[in-house]
Amino acid sequence: GAVVSQHPSRVICKSGTSVKIECRSLDFQATTMFWYRQFPKQSLMLMATSNEGSKATYEQGVEKDKFLINHASLTLSTLTVTSAHPEDSSFYICSALGVSEQYFGPGTRLTVT
Amino acid sequence: ELKVEQNPLFLSMQEGKNYTIYCDYSTTSDRLYWYRQDPGKSLESLFVLLSNGAVKQEGRLMASLDTKARLSTLHITAAVHDLSATYFCAVFTGTASKLTFGTGTRLQVTL
Repeated sequence: GAVVSQHPSRVICKSGTSVKIECRSLDFQATTMFWYRQFPKQSLMLMATSNEGSKATYEQGVEKDKFLINHASLTLSTLTVTSAHPEDSSFYICSALGVSEQYFGPGTRLTVT
Repeated sequence: ELKVEQNPLFLSMQEGKNYTIYCDYSTTSDRLYWYRQDPGKSLESLFVLLSNGAVKQEGRLMASLDTKARLSTLHITAAVHDLSATYFCAVFTGTASKLTFGTGTRLQVTL
């Protein structure tokens, strides 16, 4: 099956700093990628849809100025959490849209201290 | 707004027993996915159900889809400890290729 990677897998940062998470589709091109957030013992919540070469589409309630998404190529989307706060601590999962399904990355655990 | 609910949210079952997890959704869709998630890990794709009446089986797991009832089931046969995980269904929304995830069912199989 298709492979999607995320980097870093785990990051700890101080409150007020920014963190960038990369999502790469390794063996296929993805014009569309998705970013999800998952809090402990909860389901995945879609944050935004990332489209190559255009602006991301954010879900209701997600601050686009806080969660910056860039999809500069057909294999890379990045999520930057700006001015992170402890409440942004979560598990962030990306996916890349293939022919008939989304392929999920391994996730990035963000801890903001 | 599309709602996807799973029942039960938590299931503790003994090895060797059978059980069914239900996934109800609130709007028309003809594509549904089941995933497994182990603690601290991302999602593992289990099944893709693409049409009404679709049934797929892999090992001790069998998934089905009834688009008219807006219901999918994941049946576990003769559970083993290795099946302990959280299971999510996800409904596909074609217009934006989005997935809406169910609430999740945490399965614990005891010896």
